[in-house]
Amino acid sequence: ELKVEQNPLFLSMQEGKNYTIYCNYSTTSDRLYWYRQDPGKSLESLFVLLSNGAVKQEGRLMASLDTKARLSTLHITAAVHDLSATYFCAVDKNSGYALNFGKGTSLLVTP
Amino acid sequence: NAGVTQTPKFRVLKTGQSMTLLCAQDMNHEYMYWYRQDPGMGLRLIHYSVGEGTTAKGEVPDGYNVSRLKKQNFLLGLESAAPSQTSVYFCASSFPLGQPNQPQHFGDGTRLSIL
Repeated sequence: ELKVEQNPLFLSMQEGKNYTIYCNYSTTSDRLYWYRQDPGKSLESLFVLLSNGAVKQEGRLMASLDTKARLSTLHITAAVHDLSATYFCAVDKNSGYALNFGKGTSLLVTP
Repeated sequence: NAGVTQTPKFRVLKTGQSMTLLCAQDMNHEYMYWYRQDPGMGLRLIHYSVGEGTTAKGEVPDGYNVSRLKKQNFLLGLESAAPSQTSVYFCASSFPLGQPNQPQHFGDGTRLSIL
């Protein structure tokens, strides 16, 4: 059974600071997805990582994938309040049809 | 662009009642999914479909049935609602996973309460 663990589950950080969210998974996979969810809203796709060493950046967010370590990171640079949301990573077992989601990291950026 | 549309957005049921949640997508996606989201649990896959006329069980299928009679629609049924099925239900659709820049696309969710 594929297990996906995120940490931390809750994160409060000050504006302007940097931080990293970690996503570990238990079985071999080279497909990992990051999503953002605002309270009461749908999930918005952030990044699709499909190979070892993949790195993608969008604004203040950068995601990377290390398939050998079974680890993905979501790095936040110079956080701003608008980044406050819950971030989910999801892993595809290379089956092509199903994702296993982590429990999510609730991020609060404060002044 | 409509994307993935779920109907209804909110519903309150009594224990034992039945209902059907509707999902429609206009992106010509082959794959469609139903998830439930509970506090602190992330998203859990209920059922999915890889094409018209096909369905398969996900992680938490008990108490639910699905049908995919048309490529653009995926229905989730609760035959006899139970309080444990109180949740937020998300429908998603996608092309086969593993393609560059092709994630699952999610609807806005259906908030379902079973009394």
